[in-house]
Amino acid sequence: DAGVTQSPTHLIKTRGQQVTLRCSPKSGHDTVSWYQQALGQGPQFIFQYYEEEERQRGNFPDRFSGHQFPNYSSELNVNALLLGDSALYLCASSLIVSRDNEQFFGPGTRLTVL
Amino acid sequence: AQSVTQLGSHVSVSEGALVLLRCNYSSSVPPYLFWYVQYPNQGLQLLLKYTTGATLVKGINGFEAEFKKSETSFHLTKPSAHMSDAAEYFCAVILNRDDKIIFGKGTRLHILP
Repeated sequence: DAGVTQSPTHLIKTRGQQVTLRCSPKSGHDTVSWYQQALGQGPQFIFQYYEEEERQRGNFPDRFSGHQFPNYSSELNVNALLLGDSALYLCASSLIVSRDNEQFFGPGTRLTVL
Repeated sequence: AQSVTQLGSHVSVSEGALVLLRCNYSSSVPPYLFWYVQYPNQGLQLLLKYTTGATLVKGINGFEAEFKKSETSFHLTKPSAHMSDAAEYFCAVILNRDDKIIFGKGTRLHILP
């Protein structure tokens, strides 16, 4: 049973560039959430996708956008990168019918903005 | 608004000693509570969760936590620490299945030989 997978594992970009991160959910899951984890901090919720639509959104600017595909996989796009966007980006999947919204996390993508 | 506070960004215990990691939450209604563990360069793994029912919850790797509504706490414990327990631990809260999950800032657990 494949768990949550993310690509790439590491990425280096420069300020002003754009980046796309990818996530495949755990088999059988239909909902994908994205989190930003800055160094020494807990994960912060960016947004959640279900049925190819953004279902919830955290306190992140419009530079952060996403997409969910019919096979439930998802992308996170960040435009006009800032130094402060350097972080570990975590994808988590879940089942929309889950009573407690338990999240299953991938290994993350480490983004460094120079 | 709900929030999570983890007391102590770093905790050190000797191998074989009791592990106690503290978590307090702020919520107007009883929330769902989670403890996650993160090993270096890895994602988060669920240790245990409280939704409803029994307030003492047992998880993986010998960890357990007790939901105390009167103290708004959900502290994580393990009777005897192992070297392999060295990791970052995150407490998280969610009000209901339609709400977003809020994480604490984490506690790094160091195990001393």
